[in-house]
Order: sequence, then structure tokens, then C-alpha cells
Amino acid sequence: IQLTQSPSSLSASVGDRVTITCRASQGINSYLAWYQQKPGKAPKLLISIASTLESGVPSRFSGSGSGTDFTLTISSLQPEDLATYYCQQLNSSPLTFGGGTKVEIK
Amino acid sequence: EVQLVESGGGLVQPGGSLRLSCAASGFTVSTSWMHWVRQAPGMGLVWVSRIKSDGISTTYADSVKGRFTISRDDAKNTVHLQMNSLRAEDTAVYYCTRDGSYSLDLWGQGTLVTVSS
Repeated sequence: IQLTQSPSSLSASVGDRVTITCRASQGINSYLAWYQQKPGKAPKLLISIASTLESGVPSRFSGSGSGTDFTLTISSLQPEDLATYYCQQLNSSPLTFGGGTKVEIK
Repeated sequence: EVQLVESGGGLVQPGGSLRLSCAASGFTVSTSWMHWVRQAPGMGLVWVSRIKSDGISTTYADSVKGRFTISRDDAKNTVHLQMNSLRAEDTAVYYCTRDGSYSLDLWGQGTLVTVSS
């Protein structure tokens, strides 16, 4: 199953609403996770099963979608959100990741 | 503290072998599905392998099938990745991760493997 993320990069101002999309090549139910990877660090789980926020993750992050189309939204971009974001499908093996979206702060 | 710590990375020549280890603390690997994920320099994340909690069922990406072997040492609460016949394209940071039921909820810091002559 291929995952296509868009955009591949974006630049936004602090306080902006940011939306990242992830499209699967076939239906994956809601078995999609989102990860944040800051420069030089390991990825960190943000959201599982499309919309379940991981404990400790700020509420400005949210996820939605099912089937083939999914969205990660940052409601009010903060400086610490500088990172690359990846979606991942866990519906079937082999597990696959999207290509990533690099978020920069203007 | 719940954490994963990888070790065993380094520089190896093409065709060589390397064994990565992932030491878990704060939970028991024998009750979890565990995965390896890799990331080539400047590139995205790629899933490599998984071992289920039964310790027997394993799955591999096509790119490493027949060359890599995932295993577990329950006495040491450790997961291993034996990598043989290494190629330049295997150069990457290798992350050990825990399956948190439809997510990878815990990641190690990663260990760098460089395949070069």
C-alpha cells in the first residue's frame, strides 16, 4: 500500500492553521498513524487510528479521515512544531510510510 | 523509565555482517510486537522487519528478505537484527520500535549503519 503525503514541504507563520494530507493507494480502514520527527531526533508518535491523540501531545494537533484519505491538522502553529511529519499505515504488511512533510516556520 | 536503546551500528564493508541490538526497559519485549525501521541519510522512514509476541512469527521488507533476521532474547529483554550480505543501500539509521496496537508508540534513539569500502 502506497501512501502519498502532500505537500512535501510548507512554510507557515506562528499561529497559522496547517493541514497535511495523506492518501492511501487502497483502503486502510482507520489504521493510520502520524509521527513527528524533529531534526536529529527519533520519530515520535502523535496520533494513532487516524484520530486518537497520544497522551501528552498538545491538543493543537488533530487527525481525521478513514478509508483512503487522511488529514493531520495543527490548529495554531508553534515554533516547536518545526519538524518533518510522516503518516504510516498499519492495516496490512508490509507497513508503509508516507514520504514526509517538512514544516518550516516563516 | 520505559525506553529502547539500540547498539551495534558502525562501519562495515559491502558483503559484511552486523548485528544490531535493542535493549528494552520498563516493559517486556516478550509481550509486545517489535519492529525495526530505518532511515537513509536525508531520506524518509522505511519499515524493515517485525517480530510478533510469540517470538516466532516474523516479517520482512522485500529489500532485506533473506539477508536480515529479527530475533528476541527474552532473558535479556532484547531484540536483535542480524544483517548479512550488507549493501551500500542498507546505509541508514536503524530504529527499534514497539508496536502499540496500530501504531509504533515507542522508539529508540537509533543506531547508524554505514556500508562502505
